Amino acid sequence: EDQVTQSPEALRLQEGESSSLNCSYTVSGLRGLFWYRQDPGKGPEFLFTLYSAGEEKEKERLKATLTKKESFLHITAPKPEDSATYLCAVRAPGTSYGKLTFGQGTILTVHP
Amino acid sequence: SQTIHQWPATLVQPVGSPLSLECTVEGTSNPNLYWYRQAAGRGLQLLFYSVGIGQISSEVPQNLSASRPQDRQFILSSKKLLLSDSGFYLCAWSVPGKKLFFGSGTQLSVL
Repeated sequence: EDQVTQSPEALRLQEGESSSLNCSYTVSGLRGLFWYRQDPGKGPEFLFTLYSAGEEKEKERLKATLTKKESFLHITAPKPEDSATYLCAVRAPGTSYGKLTFGQGTILTVHP
Repeated sequence: SQTIHQWPATLVQPVGSPLSLECTVEGTSNPNLYWYRQAAGRGLQLLFYSVGIGQISSEVPQNLSASRPQDRQFILSSKKLLLSDSGFYLCAWSVPGKKLFFGSGTQLSVL
């Protein structure tokens, strides 16, 4: 069974204090690892897709990396507007593109 | 551009009452459609998906059902709600090779 575990469950940072979120996964034949951002009461918003170990993607203060067992979401010099829940998900082989297994999420709070 | 509409945003229903949540997608044809549920403190769980009109696959046994009467319309229903049906329901869509897009969600409270 595919499994996704995110850590920490919650992370509190001061503005400008860089850190990383972890997503560990177990899936036979990864067909994509996805990062989403979710604001309270809203639907998840797509951030990145990673497909193979060693791949990296960047968007503003966020950088996602992938190894064979885990992915990291690095946040550089975060701002209060980066506060949100960050979700990680994987897609297994032979599944519809939208059939994702999600982790529990990491709640990020950035204080000014 | 493609957009997804989901309503209502918030719903409070008594135990044993029926449920109907609707989702429509604009700007694309023959999308794959999905219903996910997010319970408090838990991750998103896929409930149903559909690859075409009238084609529904259920991922978990439950008190809910789904229907797709039109290409870009997806409906989540229940005949009698249970307390355990409370949660945040998200409709989503994708096309092959593209990422999954989510709607704004419906917060359902069953009392």
